Amino acid sequence: ELKVEQNPLFLSMQEGKNYTIYCNYSTTSDRLYWYRQDPGKSLESLFVLLSNGAVKQEGRLMASLDTKARLSTLHITAAVHDLSATYFCAVENYQLIWGAGTKLIIKP
Amino acid sequence: ETGVTQTPRHLVMGMTNKKSLKCEQHLGHNAMYWYKQSAKKPLELMFVYSLEERVENNSVPSRFSPECPNSSHLFLHLHTLQPEDSALYLCASSQDFHSNQPQHFGDGTRLSIL
Repeated sequence: ELKVEQNPLFLSMQEGKNYTIYCNYSTTSDRLYWYRQDPGKSLESLFVLLSNGAVKQEGRLMASLDTKARLSTLHITAAVHDLSATYFCAVENYQLIWGAGTKLIIKP
Repeated sequence: ETGVTQTPRHLVMGMTNKKSLKCEQHLGHNAMYWYKQSAKKPLELMFVYSLEERVENNSVPSRFSPECPNSSHLFLHLHTLQPEDSALYLCASSQDFHSNQPQHFGDGTRLSIL
């Protein structure tokens, strides 16, 4: 059974700082997705990572995938308040298996 | 505008009521999904439809009954629900089941069972 673990589950940080969210999964997969969810809102797709070593960047967010380590990271550079949200990773193994989410609060 | 529209946004119902959730996608996608999102738990996939055929049913209680009349519409019929069924129900669509494209989500229906 595929399990997806995110950590941390909660993160409070100051604007301007850097931090990384981790997504570990338990069985082989080469498709991983990152989503963002604002309170009371829908899930928004951020990144699709399809191969070992894939790296994608959008603004202050950068995601990477290491299929050998079964690990993906979402790195936040010089955080700003607008990035406050809950971030989910999801791994495809026939269907999407979701992490529990990382609630990120960025304080001005 | 998400391209995936869910109605109603909020629903309060008693355990003996029957209601339906509706989802409509305007993206030309072939696969549609129902998820349950409960507090502090990962998203739980409930049902998947691909080209209007159900391809996945993750041991969901029979009090939840999906219907996909065409590739643009998906319903979730509810009857005799329990308090633990209170949650956010999310609909999503993707180009195809098992595609490399991300799923697109609606805003969800917040369901409360009295």
